[in-house]
Amino acid sequence: DAKTTQPTSMDCAEGRAANLPCNHSTISGNEYVYWYRQIHSQGPQYIIHGLKNNETNEMASLIITEDRKSSTLILPHATLRDTAVYYCIVRPPNDYKLSFGAGTTVTVRA
Amino acid sequence: GAGVSQSPSNKVTEKGKDVELRCDPISGHTALYWYRQSLGQGLEFLIYFQGNSAPDKSGLPSDRFSAERTGGSVSTLTIQRTQQEDSAVYLCASSSDRRNTEAFFGQGTRLTVV
Repeated sequence: DAKTTQPTSMDCAEGRAANLPCNHSTISGNEYVYWYRQIHSQGPQYIIHGLKNNETNEMASLIITEDRKSSTLILPHATLRDTAVYYCIVRPPNDYKLSFGAGTTVTVRA
Repeated sequence: GAGVSQSPSNKVTEKGKDVELRCDPISGHTALYWYRQSLGQGLEFLIYFQGNSAPDKSGLPSDRFSAERTGGSVSTLTIQRTQQEDSAVYLCASSSDRRNTEAFFGQGTRLTVV
C-alpha cells in the first residue's frame, strides 16, 4: 500500500538544479512530507520535511503543490556527492515510523 | 559522540549461531529505531524504543529476533540461530524527541550468514 510514487531513476548534470518529483495523491491533511537520501554504503540522511508551505534549508528546497498531492525536492546546484537514492515519505505527526519505499536513484554526471 | 555509532561494522557468522549487534545513539536522544536493509531492497522497520515506554516490536520478523535498550541509551539487537535470509545491513537510528522530526542513522552493520 504505497503512499508515495517516485520515478525509479533520473540523471542530472553537475552544477545544474535537480528536481525530484513525488506523488502522494492520498495524503491526509495532517501528514507531513519527508525527504531522506541514502548515499551508497551509508545510512539514510534527513534532508527536509514540510506540511503545506514550501521549505528551504542549506541542503534543498521542498515545493508542495497547493492540493498537497505532489511535491518536488530541489537540489539547487547538484554535485557528484549528491548521487544517492532519494526517498519521499509521507508520515502522520504522531507516527514515529519512517516507511521507506524504493526511492529514486539519482545519478549526477560531470 | 558526533553521531549514531554501530558495531561491528561487518559481521560474518555461521548459520545457526547467535549474533549481537550494538547501537550507541546520539547522547540525549530518547527515541531509537532498528531497520534492516537486504541487498538491493528498501529499509524494513524492525523495532522502536521511546523513553521508558514499551517498545514497538511489530516489525521483528520472527521470535529469533529481539532487542533491548539498557538505561535508555545503548541498544542491542540479538538474532538467535541465524539463517541465510538474515543476511542484510542492520541500521540503527535515533531521534531527539517524541515528534521525531529528524532521525539520525548510523552506518549500519553488514551481517553475512554463511
